[in-house]
Amino acid sequence: SAVISQKPSRDICQRGTSLTIQCQVDSQVTMMFWYRQQPGQSLTLIATANQGSEATYESGFVIDKFPISRPNLTFSTLTVSNMSPEDSSIYLCSVAVAGANNEQFFGPGTRLTVL
Amino acid sequence: RKEVEQDPGPFNVPEGATVAFNCTYSNSASQSFFWYRQDCRKEPKLLMSVYSSGNEDGRFTAQLNRASQYISLLIRDSKLSDSATYLCVVNPGGSYIPTFGRGTSLIVHP
Repeated sequence: SAVISQKPSRDICQRGTSLTIQCQVDSQVTMMFWYRQQPGQSLTLIATANQGSEATYESGFVIDKFPISRPNLTFSTLTVSNMSPEDSSIYLCSVAVAGANNEQFFGPGTRLTVL
Repeated sequence: RKEVEQDPGPFNVPEGATVAFNCTYSNSASQSFFWYRQDCRKEPKLLMSVYSSGNEDGRFTAQLNRASQYISLLIRDSKLSDSATYLCVVNPGGSYIPTFGRGTSLIVHP
């Protein structure tokens, strides 16, 4: 398994500002992901954070809006840029542990409210 | 057709009831299957993996039907603490990126 921490756990931000969310894992993992979960919805994958190279973004998400860093195998950041109220959501960091089933583990999430 | 479909519920059952959730998937090449549990305002947590032969963990039984492309989760003797959203997760294989269903909401009442 993997233990994942995220900072901040929650924040309230003004429109037009940016917030950087940190994700720390207690062990080295290859696969690291960022998800968004809006109220009453399931998880939507934003991007795969790749160590040493640019993140791989899913359809509808772009680097300018959600820049991601992955400096090593235990840490990643997601920035939500130029925020609007529509960005209010829970942002979750996740890792996949390689093995027979590639199980995924999630961080506790960052609850973002944009005013 | 969505890649992973679940009945969103809510399923409202009394304590002690048996309840079953189904989940269908569209990618026949999918290789790994899971059920996750998500409590209100918390992150999803792995409940159990789903194996081809089916598997049981206490009151929970998971089954996979590859021919019909669905997985199921059976909960026996429901407890109040089972109230949560249950997410069906399918890994298409050749990729570590799974697809999540919308989740099925379960409410167990006294």
